[in-house]
Amino acid sequence: NAGVTQTPKFRILKIGQSMTLQCTQDMNHNYMYWYRQDPGMGLKLIYYSVGAGITDKGEVPNGYNVSRSTTEDFPLRLELAAPSQTSVYFCASSYSSQRGLSYNEQFFGPGTRLTVL
Amino acid sequence: DAKTTQPNSMESNEEEPVHLPCNHSTISGTDYIHWYRQLPSQGPEYVIHGLTSNVNNRMASLAIAEDRKSSTLILHRATLRDAAVYYCILPVNSGGSNYKLTFGKGTLLTVNP
Repeated sequence: NAGVTQTPKFRILKIGQSMTLQCTQDMNHNYMYWYRQDPGMGLKLIYYSVGAGITDKGEVPNGYNVSRSTTEDFPLRLELAAPSQTSVYFCASSYSSQRGLSYNEQFFGPGTRLTVL
Repeated sequence: DAKTTQPNSMESNEEEPVHLPCNHSTISGTDYIHWYRQLPSQGPEYVIHGLTSNVNNRMASLAIAEDRKSSTLILHRATLRDAAVYYCILPVNSGGSNYKLTFGKGTLLTVNP
């Protein structure tokens, strides 16, 4: 199992450009998540999905869009990049998000470091 | 939402035990306590979780106070590879039966050789 994979590892964007961060998991997890982590801070949830075709907003969804057409893939779209979106982006997946179950363990990808200039 | 409080940083020596504290005085009776850690330049990884009883796994032990208002993550013999940020988390209900993790700043653990 590759687990959770993310591409690209690094990217520099100019203000106003758009891009898609790719995330794929091969563990057949139904839940997937996107987080961002600013320097010296904890992670903040951007969007999450409880299954194919179902997505919902997290704490900081503005400026981002997601889709979930398959169980495996959960891409994150930035339409008009802004310097405030400079961050490290982590994708994660879990079998379930139910309280307390061991399935709640989230598996994280290695991250995408994005700089917007 | 129940919140957690952790020290910003702690230091340990290699091969010594490390006790990482977490306060969660507003915890509800059914909140599980989760610990994750984040090694430098990597995504977070799950460490352990528990409800009331102390828990052990291959990575660590979790000691939960009898009143559940605090817990301690125990690394029995710290190695250089254990240097990381450790997050104590109480999953928050995000609607229905769904819960989400909220990561604070955590505790930065430094391990000295």
